[in-house]
Amino acid sequence: AQSVAQPEDQVNVAEGNPLTVKCTYSVSGNPYLFWYVQYPNRGLQFLLKYITGDNLVKGSYGFEAEFNKSQTSFHLKKPSALVSDSALYFCAVRDMGSSDMRFGAGTRLTVKP
Amino acid sequence: GAVVSQHPSRVICKSGTSVKIECRSLDFQATTMFWYRQFPKQSLMLMATSNEGSKATYEQGVEKDKFLINHASLTLSTLTVTSAHPEDSSFYICSARGTALQETQYFGPGTRLLVL
Repeated sequence: AQSVAQPEDQVNVAEGNPLTVKCTYSVSGNPYLFWYVQYPNRGLQFLLKYITGDNLVKGSYGFEAEFNKSQTSFHLKKPSALVSDSALYFCAVRDMGSSDMRFGAGTRLTVKP
Repeated sequence: GAVVSQHPSRVICKSGTSVKIECRSLDFQATTMFWYRQFPKQSLMLMATSNEGSKATYEQGVEKDKFLINHASLTLSTLTVTSAHPEDSSFYICSARGTALQETQYFGPGTRLLVL
């Protein structure tokens, strides 16, 4: 079985500061890991994914995430937050060979000017 | 990235009526489509997975006769909420993916259903 944990319901940062949104996962095999962002009353927008290769993955809007196999983590990061980054962020995992994707509970990021 | 459209974006209906939601992949062939339900301030709950031309696989606790899913082509899936009741009011989001498992799942903009 696969699962994802996002330990923080809410993350608050000041504009211009670095941000981190945490994600840990559990899979029986090798993971495919994804980050999505959701704005109010909208679907999910894809940010980035890790399939294989370089542990540091760069995605849309300046976001990046680092796959850490020993810590089973895939934290989302951005060097300098923008107010427009304020949204709900979801981490998701799919076990290699499985069709289903499982989502974390979501983390609400608020960037204050 | 790839685009998934969903229609309608918002629907209000009377209790007892049926509502159909369409999900289309606009620029890729969606071998697999997914339907999710999202309650306010909660994560996405997978309702069912469908492969083109096959019957949908429903998650435990999701009534297949209540939520009819059709995936008749590689670009279109429909979710019909039959005999809708107020407790069916929710935000429904579809998602589509190509053939390979490592491919990205792309999401539609969602449909807000309100049953009066």
